[in-house]
Amino acid sequence: QVQLVESGGGVVPPGRSLTISCAASGFDFPEFAMYWVRQPPGRGPEWVAFISFEGSNTYYAPTVAGRFIISRDNSKSLLYLQMNSLRVEDTAVYYCARDTLGGQGTLVTVSS
Amino acid sequence: DIQLTQPLSILSASVGDRVTITCRASQSVGKWLAWYQQKPGKAPKLLIYETSLLETGVPSRFSGSGSGTDFTLTITSLQPDDFATYYCQQYDNFYLSFGGGTKVDI
Repeated sequence: QVQLVESGGGVVPPGRSLTISCAASGFDFPEFAMYWVRQPPGRGPEWVAFISFEGSNTYYAPTVAGRFIISRDNSKSLLYLQMNSLRVEDTAVYYCARDTLGGQGTLVTVSS
Repeated sequence: DIQLTQPLSILSASVGDRVTITCRASQSVGKWLAWYQQKPGKAPKLLIYETSLLETGVPSRFSGSGSGTDFTLTITSLQPDDFATYYCQQYDNFYLSFGGGTKVDI
C-alpha cells in the first residue's frame, strides 16, 4: 500500500526559506516520478513541482519557478521541496504525490 | 496545460438521492483521471483512480466513468457522510491539474 508522509512545515516570515520532506513507502520509489501539490486555505489543490524517477528532469508551476527546488534521495525513499524567498501567497498545505494524492500534508504558513 | 472544469460548484441534494458530478478536460487525458472527497480541515481522500477503479475501502455506492475529455462521478444513494467537496484530477502529464470542486450540500 502506497504511504506518503509529509513533514517539516511551520511558520516562517516572508522572504525566508524552508525545506519540507516526504517519506515514501509501499512501492518501489526509485521507479516513479513524484510531485508536490499544495492547497491554499479555502481553495482547491494546485500542482507545484515534478521530478522524474531518477531526478534528472524537474518542472515547476510558474508561480514558484526560480524560488522552489524539488529533489529526491532514492536510497532513502525521500522527496524534498526547498522553498526560498517565501511569500504570503505560498501559505498552504503541501502534499507529495506519486500521481494521485495520498498523504495528510504539511502546513506551511508564511507570515510576519 | 490541461484545464479541468467542474461546471457545478455547489450541488444541493438529499439523503438517498442519486448524485452525478461531472468533470470536463480541455484536451484528452485518456483514462488518467481521479476523484477525491474532501471534508473541512482534512486532506483530500482518493475515491476513484484511472477513471473507474475504486480505491480500497471506498464504498461501492461511488463509481466513476468516462474517457478522453468527459468524466462522471456517481453516488448511487447519498449518505449523510457523503456531504463534502469533490475534486477531479488529471495525471496524464507532469502538469497535474485539478477541477475547481463541487460541494455537495443539503
